[in-house]
Parts: sequence; C-alpha cells; structure tokens
Amino acid sequence: GENVEQHPSTLSVQEGDSAVIKCTYSDSASNYFPWYKQELGKRPQLIIDIRSNVGEKKDQRIAVTLNKTAKHFSLHITETQPEDSAVYFCAAIRGASYIPTFGRGTSLIVHP
Amino acid sequence: NAGVTQTPKFQVLKTGQSMTLQCAQDMNHEYMSWYRQDPGMGLRLIHYSVGAGITDQGEVPNGYNVSRSTTEDFPLRLLSAAPSQTSVYFCASSPGLPTDTQYFGPGTRLTVL
Repeated sequence: GENVEQHPSTLSVQEGDSAVIKCTYSDSASNYFPWYKQELGKRPQLIIDIRSNVGEKKDQRIAVTLNKTAKHFSLHITETQPEDSAVYFCAAIRGASYIPTFGRGTSLIVHP
Repeated sequence: NAGVTQTPKFQVLKTGQSMTLQCAQDMNHEYMSWYRQDPGMGLRLIHYSVGAGITDQGEVPNGYNVSRSTTEDFPLRLLSAAPSQTSVYFCASSPGLPTDTQYFGPGTRLTVL
C-alpha cells in the first residue's frame, strides 16, 4: 500500500519568514495530493491540492509543488503570520482508490 | 447547509461498552468516511462508503462496524470498546471520490477507560 512520509514534524519560524513542509510518497500510481490545515481542537480543512498532471499550484501566500519523478511534493507558505500556526497534513490518493494515505503532520509555529 | 455534523462531541466509555457515533451530511455527497486521529499518527481511514448500501474497509477497520442506509447518514459502531480505541474520530464527505474536496465534521473525542 501507499506510504507517506512528512517532514519536519515541528517547524518554528518568525513572522514574515517562509515555511516549507515536504512529503514523500511510495506509490507511483498516486495522482492527487491535498494539504489540510488543522487548528488546535478544530477539524482539518483543505487549503490547497495538486493533481499529477500539474507541477505547481499557487493560492495567494500558499503554493504546492510536485515532483513525480522523485515522488515528493511540498507546501510553501510565504510571509507567514501568527494565524498560520496549526498542524498541516499532506495526503496521497491513487485515482482508482478510495483510501487516502495521510502524513503524520507538521506542527507549524509562527512567532510574532 | 449545516455541512457535516457529528454527535456526540465528547464521550467516555468503559471497556466492553458499545456505542454509536453519529455522522450526517446535507450536501448530497456520495462518498463518506470515518477516520481516527491519534497523536503523531495523522488521520487513518477506518471505513468508507461510496453510496447508500455500499461500505468497505479502510486501513484500520478492526473493532468498528458501519452501515449506510441513506445518503445523509453514516454511523460508526463500536461493539465492545477497548482502551486502544481512545481517539478523536472524524467523519468526512465528498461529492464523489476522495479526490474531490473532502469536508470534515467537527470530531468526536472518545475516551475508553
């Protein structure tokens, strides 16, 4: 089955810095890669996703890049703000599968 | 739209007790799923359903049963609770495959003593 590794487990940055979270996956048939943000005590919410026919996608301060050859994808947050502090999860899904595989999460702390 | 709702928000059980976690969605989504979230483990899929009357196992199905009699409801049953089932449980739904945007419920925090 699919295996998703997510690094780092904790990331501490100063407000205004950039943050990068990386995930690697094992199943070359995976073709959909969402990122979720989960604030303390809240539900996960989709913040951005990318499909395997695209190399990069941006949404304001958030971007995701995908390297299919190396089987890794990354979340980039620029100009971080304290409200970006949360746990971020990546996931990988094979198109014909109904079973998403999630990474273990990255706790992002943005210091004012 | 209420989106995805879950009840209860908190529950404490004794080992061996049974209970049902409720999940409902009002978006007419075909795909519904149950996850458990444990510290440092991410989200792990327990069971999922691709439509009324159709369910299947996810990654960690042991100790849990599900049914899907209507499009709206997808309850999760613990037949004989064990301390290892202490976790936060999330229900989610999406219009079709999980490659569509998944919407999560607010979660149920379950403690088994």
